[in-house]
Amino acid sequence: EPEVTQTPSHQVTQMGQEVILRCVPISNHLYFYWYRQILGQKVEFLVSFYNNEISEKSEIFDDQFSVERPDGSNFTLKIRSTKLEDSAMYFCASRIDRSTDTQYFGPGTRLTVL
Amino acid sequence: GENVEQHPSTLSVQEGDSAVIKCTYSDSASNYFPWYKQELGKRPQLIIDIRSNVGEKKDQRIAVTLNKTAKHFSLHITETQPEDSAVYFCALDSSASKIIFGSGTRLSIRP
Repeated sequence: EPEVTQTPSHQVTQMGQEVILRCVPISNHLYFYWYRQILGQKVEFLVSFYNNEISEKSEIFDDQFSVERPDGSNFTLKIRSTKLEDSAMYFCASRIDRSTDTQYFGPGTRLTVL
Repeated sequence: GENVEQHPSTLSVQEGDSAVIKCTYSDSASNYFPWYKQELGKRPQLIIDIRSNVGEKKDQRIAVTLNKTAKHFSLHITETQPEDSAVYFCALDSSASKIIFGSGTRLSIRP
């Protein structure tokens, strides 16, 4: 069964550095998402992406964040200048199309900002 | 905006007993209500979902009920087993562009 994949599984970075988290959504899916989960808290929506543009973004998704689909398979989340409070688990998800509600989550990338 | 409240935050039940987790929401346009199970360090895993045109759905030991008028929905797990121990999140999707998660319930099954 096809799955969403994410790399790396764990990223450690220094405050102020840029990081890029990578996701490969399920191949025939059209809608892509990033979510964040701070340790011990709920999963929070960051951004949705469709047809090569952002559909919706949350208040968390400020100018330090950007998303890109650089080719036909990858979907990336970039944090330009990481802060301590960016430390969290970042989940990518994808959905096949608008007629289906189910989002499939990747295994996550644990980002640790020192 | 959309919001979902979840209770209780922790729940401990004897193995074999039932567990019930309840959620309420504010946006009447919400039409899709998934439930996720998350084990430590793992991704949220969809265990059951319900759409607004259905009042109840069951899948083996798991059932979900939805009351659209009162804007609440519940997860019921019967005959609980040790492997049911996890954090459970209710969620909703009203605009087909994002999922809003509840705050989670940590379920512990006592042997």
